[in-house]
Amino acid sequence: GENVEQHPSTLSVQEGDSAVIKCTYSDSASNYFPWYKQELGKGPQLIIDIRSNVGEKKDQRIAVTLNKTAKHFSLHITETQPEDSAVYFCAASKTGTASKLTFGTGTRLQVTL
Amino acid sequence: ETGVTQTPRHLVMGMTNKKSLKCEQHLGHNAMYWYKQSAKKPLELMFVYSLEERVENNSVPSRFSPECPNSSHLFLHLHTLQPEDSALYLCASSHADQETQYFGPGTRLLVL
Repeated sequence: GENVEQHPSTLSVQEGDSAVIKCTYSDSASNYFPWYKQELGKGPQLIIDIRSNVGEKKDQRIAVTLNKTAKHFSLHITETQPEDSAVYFCAASKTGTASKLTFGTGTRLQVTL
Repeated sequence: ETGVTQTPRHLVMGMTNKKSLKCEQHLGHNAMYWYKQSAKKPLELMFVYSLEERVENNSVPSRFSPECPNSSHLFLHLHTLQPEDSALYLCASSHADQETQYFGPGTRLLVL
């Protein structure tokens, strides 16, 4: 089955700096890669996703890149703000009926003033 | 709010108790999921229901029993749990033919 590894497990950046979180996956048939943000006391919230037919996707301060050959994808957050502090999870799945997402172990991002 | 609600938000139970977790989605989806989230571990998929039929059961112990009476509601019935079952239990939903899943806030379960 699919295996997703995520690094780093914790990340501390100063406000205004950029943050990068990286994930690798094992199943070359995976073609859907979402990123979720989980704040304290809440469930994971989808923030951006990418499919294998594109190499990069951007939404304001958030971008995701995908390298299918190397089987890795990354989340980039620019101009970080304190409200970006949360746990971020990457995931991978194949498209299809009731897809089975395989999650990484999460990255705790702390944005300091 | 994501349109997925879960009750209760917190639950403390003894190992001999029977309790149920409830999930409701207001997004018009027809697939629903139960996940277990433990500290320092990836989210673990427990059960998947698509079009009200169970399509995935990830070797979950029989002390966890899911029920999906319709496409908007999902239950997880709990009995004779163990302390290691203490975790955050998350419900999610999606369209059955789409990949994007939307999560509820979770039920924090403590088994004493």
